[in-house]
Amino acid sequence: DTGVSQDPRHKITKRGQNVTFRCDPISEHNRLYWYRQTLGQGPEFLTYFQNEAQLEKSRLLSDRFSAERPKGSFSTLEIQRTEQGDSAMYLCASSPNLVQYFGPGTRLTVT
Amino acid sequence: EDQVTQSPEALRLQEGESSSLNCSYTVSGLRGLFWYRQDPGKGPEFLFTLYSAGEEKEKERLKATLTKKESFLHITAPKPEDSATYLCAVLSGGRNDMRFGAGTRLTVKP
Repeated sequence: DTGVSQDPRHKITKRGQNVTFRCDPISEHNRLYWYRQTLGQGPEFLTYFQNEAQLEKSRLLSDRFSAERPKGSFSTLEIQRTEQGDSAMYLCASSPNLVQYFGPGTRLTVT
Repeated sequence: EDQVTQSPEALRLQEGESSSLNCSYTVSGLRGLFWYRQDPGKGPEFLFTLYSAGEEKEKERLKATLTKKESFLHITAPKPEDSATYLCAVLSGGRNDMRFGAGTRLTVKP
């Protein structure tokens, strides 16, 4: 059973560096979502793709954040000029309908 | 704006001691209410979707119910392996982003 996969699982970076995360959704799912989760909180929505089109972005997604989903398959989330406040778990989810299935997440630590 | 509030924040039970977790919500046009389980350091694992008031879903020791204002996750005779954070989320009409509560952290002692 191939679920949603994310890479890397952990990333430690210094403030000001750029980082990129990858998400591979379940193959037949055309919807893909990115969320951010901090300790003790539920996931917060960042952005949504239907196939290759980015249809929705949260106000949380500052200009330093960019996401892509070329050819409607895998997706990348890039954070430029990282700040300590970016430290969080970044979760990817995919969906064939309403139910979203989550990957294991990428834990980002900005030092 | 959609809001989801979960209570209690944390719950400690003895093995076999049944209890319920609460999820109160306000949305404009509920498309679905979702329950997830999350283990430390992992992504949320889907448990149930409820679509309309009066609906109930069951899976092993878990049973989810839905009214127009809240949902309950009932845990019957829990075991230590049920220890996790349980998240509730809502999806409202015309939106694609789920709104999550902060979760209830459940600990079941043997």
